[in-house]
Amino acid sequence: DGGITQSPKYLFRKEGQNVTLSCEQNLNHDAMYWYRQDPGQGLRLIYYSQIVNDFQKGDIAEGYSVSREKKESFPLTVTSAQKNPTAFYLCASTPDRVAGYTFGSGTRLTVV
Amino acid sequence: GQQVMQIPQYQHVQEGEDFTTYCNSSTTLSNIQWYKQRPGGHPVFLIQLVKSGEVKKQKRLTFQFGEAKKNSSLHITATQTTDVGTYFCAGFRGGKTIFGAGTRLFVKA
Repeated sequence: DGGITQSPKYLFRKEGQNVTLSCEQNLNHDAMYWYRQDPGQGLRLIYYSQIVNDFQKGDIAEGYSVSREKKESFPLTVTSAQKNPTAFYLCASTPDRVAGYTFGSGTRLTVV
Repeated sequence: GQQVMQIPQYQHVQEGEDFTTYCNSSTTLSNIQWYKQRPGGHPVFLIQLVKSGEVKKQKRLTFQFGEAKKNSSLHITATQTTDVGTYFCAGFRGGKTIFGAGTRLFVKA
């Protein structure tokens, strides 16, 4: 079955550490996205990529970095510069910008 | 900046009652999408509306896109406990998809 796989499901990070969240899709979608969701809140766009080797900042890119070396993969690194990283991170993909999103099951990141 | 406002923020209903959530934009949207997120889960795409005045139905769910393409609504008839979750709208304009903050639905059996 086609879909998006995010790993790990839960992640604990010590202050000052960088961590990388994995996102893999086998839907052959060109566009991929990273969103952050805080409790009781909507979705805020961190980064997006419409094509391999190209990506753009979203609304809250500070303290995050991404890469898009393969069409299937769009990993997100949460750096130590992100002051409040505890949140639910969602990866999504679409065949094009106007189509509906397919979301992964998310990664819950907690700073300890 | 561009915003998509969604109301209400929360809604408590008795099972069997109807439920409606509204989505409003200050600017015209190219399309609007609706998603459902179950508690502890991830958003799942429900539907996309593109045409002015469009109405689509999925069983007990009715989706509408306003004539001016600035607002939309999702109406659930005779809610069931399986309807619990947060319903998000997302409007597309200027090459960007903007999500509303969502309406969280609680259904009491």
